[in-house]
Amino acid sequence: AQKVTQAQTEISVVEKEDVTLDCVYETRDTTYYLFWYKQPPSGELVFLIRRNSFDEQNEISGRYSWNFQKSTSSFNFTITASQVVDSAVYFCALTLYNQGGKLIFGQGTELSVKP
Amino acid sequence: KAGVTQTPRYLIKTRGQQVTLSCSPISGHRSVSWYQQTPGQGLQFLFEYFSETQRNKGNFPGRFSGRQFSNSRSEMNVSTLELGDSALYLCASSLAPGRSEAFFGQGTRLTVV
Repeated sequence: AQKVTQAQTEISVVEKEDVTLDCVYETRDTTYYLFWYKQPPSGELVFLIRRNSFDEQNEISGRYSWNFQKSTSSFNFTITASQVVDSAVYFCALTLYNQGGKLIFGQGTELSVKP
Repeated sequence: KAGVTQTPRYLIKTRGQQVTLSCSPISGHRSVSWYQQTPGQGLQFLFEYFSETQRNKGNFPGRFSGRQFSNSRSEMNVSTLELGDSALYLCASSLAPGRSEAFFGQGTRLTVV
């Protein structure tokens, strides 16, 4: 069975601090996709990144960066110089190649960035 | 380009009633998935439709059903509502199942009293 674990339930930082959100996944399949979504208080899940299992290159997008390591089954997300607008719940998710659009989500990490 | 639209945004129903939620995907997207979000269980997959066919179903009772129309719009129905069905129901659309980004709507907040 597949599983996604986000061990950090809540994280609180002060603005401009760097913060890393951890994500560990479990699957025996070799072809899968990993995602990160942001859920602000409005409720809508905002897509941040999609990564396939054959692409272990780290990615940077502005203040956001992602570290994918198959050896440890982790797909961690770092926000550099956090801002108050980054406050939200962040979800890591997994889908298998043969399961179409079925996303398996972690429990989410609530990030609070204080001014 | 309009995003995923879910209607209604809020709904209050009584136990035993049934409810229908609607989702209009992004133009050109043919895949629609539904998720239930509760504080206790988190985000759970309900079902997925592509080209009017259900491709995948989560572990929910038969009271939960859905369908997709030829214009890709989708509806989900919950019959004989229970208090535990109170949740945020999210719809996601994508170009093709699984291999492209899924974009979510703002959800329908269902409260069963």
